[in-house]
Amino acid sequence: DIQMTQSPSTLSASVGDRVTISCRASQSISSWLAWYQQKPGKAPKLLIYKASNLQPAVPSRFSGSGSGSEFTLSISSLQPDDSATYYCQQYSGFSLTFGGGTKLEIK
Amino acid sequence: EVQLLESGGGLVQRGGSLRLSCAASGFTFSDYAMNWVRQSPGRGLEWVSSISNVEDRTYYLDSVKGRFTVSRDNSRNTLFLQLSGLRVEDTAVYFCAKGFRGLITAFDSWGQGTLVTVSS
Repeated sequence: DIQMTQSPSTLSASVGDRVTISCRASQSISSWLAWYQQKPGKAPKLLIYKASNLQPAVPSRFSGSGSGSEFTLSISSLQPDDSATYYCQQYSGFSLTFGGGTKLEIK
Repeated sequence: EVQLLESGGGLVQRGGSLRLSCAASGFTFSDYAMNWVRQSPGRGLEWVSSISNVEDRTYYLDSVKGRFTVSRDNSRNTLFLQLSGLRVEDTAVYFCAKGFRGLITAFDSWGQGTLVTVSS
């Protein structure tokens, strides 16, 4: 199975900051990577698919980049509503696997 | 608007069985692969199973193979997950999730989840 490793596991930043979350795959997954946002007690929400494509209605301050085995989720100007846990997921093949998550806290 | 509503969770003893359901609306159910993803309390997300749109292909997490069975009824717009031989480590919130494009895919809509608790 393809292992997905996210870093950092927790992140604290201020409103207006630019933040970056990394996701590394144990082997190349081309661009078959998605990013999700999950708030406490809620289901995950798809933010980005195929590494860099923004889902409709997702704010443009979110962006994704990378290919192969190294990927990044960036938030250009942090807002209070961005406080959540973020997960990457590979869909290069079964078993589909998620990263361990990055908990983003707003200072 | 896509809606997915899971049901069937509950408290069960180790070795027991449950059947989860997911009622779908707001999209053409028979056009999309469907999936189950679980999340243990305080832990991350774990894909469990996927089924193609016409039910001819199913896939499972290794640790649930032979114990869980995914199925769907396209006439009733409903997805199912039969859980048997339950283990304490199967305790989790089980989400159904709509496939985005194709079978091996991201998940663009999720239900609210149903909690399965396996006691020892």
